[in-house]
Amino acid sequence: VQLVQSGAEVKKPGASVKVSCKASGYTFTGYYIHWVRQAPGQGLEWMGWINPNSGVTNYAQKFQGRVTLTRDTSINTAYMELSRLRSDDTAVFYCARVYWNYEEGTFEEFDFWGQGTLVTVSS
Amino acid sequence: DIQMTQSPSTLSAFVGDRVTITCRASQSIRSWLAWYQQKPGKAPKLLIFKASSLENGVPSRFSGSGSGTEFTLTISSLQPDDFATYYCQQYNSYSYTFGQGTKLEIK
Repeated sequence: VQLVQSGAEVKKPGASVKVSCKASGYTFTGYYIHWVRQAPGQGLEWMGWINPNSGVTNYAQKFQGRVTLTRDTSINTAYMELSRLRSDDTAVFYCARVYWNYEEGTFEEFDFWGQGTLVTVSS
Repeated sequence: DIQMTQSPSTLSAFVGDRVTITCRASQSIRSWLAWYQQKPGKAPKLLIFKASSLENGVPSRFSGSGSGTEFTLTISSLQPDDFATYYCQQYNSYSYTFGQGTKLEIK
């Protein structure tokens, strides 16, 4: 199993960034993809998830209206787009794979992570 | 939203020590709690899931316990490779929350 993310980005305030997460080694549509933000020297912040099978998404309230999660099942890739960037959006963004436990009706833990993508927002 | 309060924020210990990190949830999350280890410049690594299940390949000196709102991660005998930052994470709902993290430092 591998999740390989796109490379580092430098953006100006007010711009948008789109980070990709390419999955391999498993059935892409069988697991949800979640996104996590980590500002420099700070903790982990959950941003939202996408069901690659259906395209259904759920976003953390903090990012509602600024984040868009999409996927392209033809190339086993998920995307996270964050708009109206600010300097405090400078962070490493991670994607992670999560299984939906049909028996329990709940998500499970993040068992595989991408390597992270540094997004720097600076004028 | 469910809040996760992790303590301590920093912990200094010697190699060979037994250490415990605590995580409290603002409401019951049953056993839907995971622990991750993160080293500088790396993605977090899953250690424990469902509060007490050890991920494949993780040394048995790591253990987790708890249910409801109180959880602990214990490292029975610290090794040099264990000095890192540890995070708890709840996944009881459609939204996830992480604890603030515990930085484990060498004394």
